[in-house]
Amino acid sequence: QVQLQESGPGLVKPSQTLSLTCTVSGASISSGRDYWSWIRQPAGKGLEWIGRVYTSGSTDYNPSLKSRVAISVDTSKNQFSLNLISVTAADTAVYYCARTTVTYYLDVWGTGTTVTVSS
Amino acid sequence: IQLTQSPSFLSASVGDRVTITCRASQGIRSYVAWYQQKPGTAPRLLIYEASTLQSGVPSRFSGSGSGTQFTLTISSLQPEDSATYYCQHLNGFPVTFGGGTKVDIK
Repeated sequence: QVQLQESGPGLVKPSQTLSLTCTVSGASISSGRDYWSWIRQPAGKGLEWIGRVYTSGSTDYNPSLKSRVAISVDTSKNQFSLNLISVTAADTAVYYCARTTVTYYLDVWGTGTTVTVSS
Repeated sequence: IQLTQSPSFLSASVGDRVTITCRASQGIRSYVAWYQQKPGTAPRLLIYEASTLQSGVPSRFSGSGSGTQFTLTISSLQPEDSATYYCQHLNGFPVTFGGGTKVDIK
């Protein structure tokens, strides 16, 4: 059974960098079959796709966040990570990682982690 | 690609047939997925490629449509179906989601 688990600080100061890691179990990131995505959801609002990474390290990002975001993969640890720089209160949200098929649907999700941007 | 869901909220009784619509701003063939999200939990994939039921999803859920209009139907609403439902287009990136439809049980 494939499982994903997000981890990282729950509180980040404005202008600093938000860093999260997703640990994958039950599947190998390096299998090359899937992509791995980050999605976020502000409280009481809808879903926003942040971006995705492939086992090779190639990435696709949401244009609205592209200048601030970087997603990377560590196949040796079976993890992938999100870095979002220069955060503001608008980046406060629940952040999810998810397995992404080649046709873009998200079939396995992590439980989510809440990140608050506040001084 | 913008996705517009309607209604944004609906209230129905157990056993009712419920339909949620998702309209795309441009044609996306059959490249739509549907998710169910209950409070405090991650979304769950229900349907992909407009009409393919994800493994383990009850058969009362079905999807249809192509081009710019898609529907998610719950044939007989159950108490555990109380949730918010989102559509998502699969027609390349950036991926976008609809605004959600909250389904309440009367």
